[in-house]
Amino acid sequence: KQEVTQIPAALSVPEGENLVLNCSFTDSAIYNLQWFRQDPGKGLTSLLLIQSSQREQTSGRLNASLDKSSGRSTLYIAASQPGDSATYLCQGAQKLVFGQGTRLTINP
Amino acid sequence: DVKVTQSSRYLVKRTGEKVFLECVQDMDHENMFWYRQDPGLGLRLIYFSYDVKMKEKGDIPEGYSVSREKKERFSLILESASTNQTSMYLCASSLEGARGYTFGSGTRLTVV
Repeated sequence: KQEVTQIPAALSVPEGENLVLNCSFTDSAIYNLQWFRQDPGKGLTSLLLIQSSQREQTSGRLNASLDKSSGRSTLYIAASQPGDSATYLCQGAQKLVFGQGTRLTINP
Repeated sequence: DVKVTQSSRYLVKRTGEKVFLECVQDMDHENMFWYRQDPGLGLRLIYFSYDVKMKEKGDIPEGYSVSREKKERFSLILESASTNQTSMYLCASSLEGARGYTFGSGTRLTVV
C-alpha cells in the first residue's frame, strides 16, 4: 500500500526566507504527484502537478520536483511571505494517497 | 469561476440517521472523489468515481455508499450515521490524470 510521509510536520520561518518542504512515498510506481495548500477550515487548492513524464513544475515562487528513483518530492518556496502560511500536502495521484501535511507559518 | 460545491457547510445529525452529502461540479470533470479529514489521520479516501454510474472503494468505505447518476453530481451516503463518522468531508473532482484537481469547501458533519 502506498504511504506518503511529509517532513517536517510543522515549520516556522521569518518572512523572506527560502524554504523546502519534503514528501516521500513508498511505492516507486507513482504515476504523478501533486502539491496542495489548505487554509484553516477550508478545502484544498492545487498548487503544482508533476506528471509521470516530468521532473519538476514551477509556478511563480513555487517549484516542485519529483525523483521517482528515490521516492521523493520537494516543494521549494522562494522569498516566503506571510500569505504563504498554510498547511501544504502532497498527494501520490495514482494511488490517491495524501501525506499528513506540513503546517507552515511565515513570521512577519 | 469553476467550482465544486458541497451542499452544506455544517451538518448535525443523530445516530442511526441516513445522511446524504451532495457534491456538484461545473467543470465537466470525469473523476470525482470523497475524502474525510480528521486530526492526526489526515485525508483519507472513501470512494471515487471515474464515470457516471461507476464507483470504486477507497481506503475506508465501510459505513458509506455513493451514487453518481449524473456526471456533475456525486453523493456520499451514510447508511446509518454513527458518532465515529463525525468528521470534515471533502469532495473533489478532476480530469483524467489528476489534472484540474479541485476541492469543495467541505462539510463538517457532527453525529450526536
